[in-house]
Amino acid sequence: GDSVTQMEGPVTLSEEAFLTINCTYTATGYPSLFWYVQYPGEGLQLLLKATKADDKGSNKGFEATYRKETTSFHLEKGSVQVSDSAVYFCALRTNNAGNMLTFGGGTRLMVKP
Amino acid sequence: DAMVIQNPRYQVTQFGKPVTLSCSQTLNHNVMYWYQQKSSQAPKLLFHYYDKDFNNEADTPDNFQSRRPNTSFCFLDIRSPGLGDAAMYLCATSRASPRNTEAFFGQGTRLTVV
Repeated sequence: GDSVTQMEGPVTLSEEAFLTINCTYTATGYPSLFWYVQYPGEGLQLLLKATKADDKGSNKGFEATYRKETTSFHLEKGSVQVSDSAVYFCALRTNNAGNMLTFGGGTRLMVKP
Repeated sequence: DAMVIQNPRYQVTQFGKPVTLSCSQTLNHNVMYWYQQKSSQAPKLLFHYYDKDFNNEADTPDNFQSRRPNTSFCFLDIRSPGLGDAAMYLCATSRASPRNTEAFFGQGTRLTVV
């Protein structure tokens, strides 16, 4: 079945540091890939997405590139801010399994001033 | 403007007392989902509606039920809440296709069972 694996957190960084959160996937179909962010006490918000190989999703300084050869969709940001502190979820969606979203376990990011 | 609205944001209920959480959407999406999320873990899908067709996940307890009276509204009913049902409940919507469309989430309802 489909699955998503993320690096375990928490990830603790100083402000302006470079961020990478690793995400790899297994899918029987040809998935679309997503990063969602969840701020404390809130629901999930779509951060970015990519729908085919070599696509790069980007938003608010975050980027992720769909790498079919390594089945990865790593999230990066060049300079994090305290306001980026949140939990980040990698997810995929295929035409299988009723089009459901499959989530990774989430990675908590803590950015210190 | 909020597109998926959950009410209430916080709900306190007594052990064993039925409780209903509500979700409404302005997106006219044909798929609506209910997820349970504990302690910033990954959201766990409880069930979803594809239009009026109800789809229950195999491991969703019988204690959890859902109703979708129309396209815009969906309800989660917990018949006899236990302490283990305390969690954040997330409603989401999406178009059924194409597969590259994202799901839109509400802000969630945090349920406390006392």
